[in-house]
Amino acid sequence: AQSVTQLGSHVSVSEGALVLLRCNYSSSVPPYLFWYVQYPNQGLQLLLKYTSAATLVKGINGFEAEFKKSETSFHLTKPSAHMSDAAEYFCAVKAGGFKTIFGAGTRLFVKA
Amino acid sequence: KAGVTQTPRYLIKTRGQQVTLSCSPISGHRSVSWYQQTPGQGLQFLFEYFSETQRNKGNFPGRFSGRQFSNSRSEMNVSTLELGDSALYLCASSPSALSGNTEAFFGQGTRLTVV
Repeated sequence: AQSVTQLGSHVSVSEGALVLLRCNYSSSVPPYLFWYVQYPNQGLQLLLKYTSAATLVKGINGFEAEFKKSETSFHLTKPSAHMSDAAEYFCAVKAGGFKTIFGAGTRLFVKA
Repeated sequence: KAGVTQTPRYLIKTRGQQVTLSCSPISGHRSVSWYQQTPGQGLQFLFEYFSETQRNKGNFPGRFSGRQFSNSRSEMNVSTLELGDSALYLCASSPSALSGNTEAFFGQGTRLTVV
């Protein structure tokens, strides 16, 4: 079985500060991992995905994530937060039976 | 290329009624998945269809059902609506369910309110 745990349902940072959103996964087979972003009353949009080609993955809007097998983690980072980054972020894992499992989400607040 | 289209965007129904939601995937995509999103439960997987066949099913009661047509468009139906069914229902399409690294492309969702 596979699962995803996102640490922290809410994260607040100041504009210009580092963004770090944590994600740990559990999978019995090599996983594919994804980060999605959701703005209010919208669907989810893909930020980036890990497909085993490289452990450091760069995505859109300056976000990146590093796959660490030993820690079963796939944390999302951005060096400098912008007001437009305020949204909800979802980590997801896909393995085996192709069903994508989502974490509970982390709402990011950006203070001016 | 048009994105995933969900209709209607908003819906208000009364307890006990039934509802049908529609999803048109991106052209060429053969896999359609449905999710229920609520503040308390997050994103919960409902089911996935690929080439008109249900491939995966989440842990929802039989009141929730779906189908996929030959043109890959999908519908989900909820019968005997309960207040707890109020949620944002999201549809996502993928080019193929056979390749694990393909991401899901989401529609904007249908906001269902049950009163």
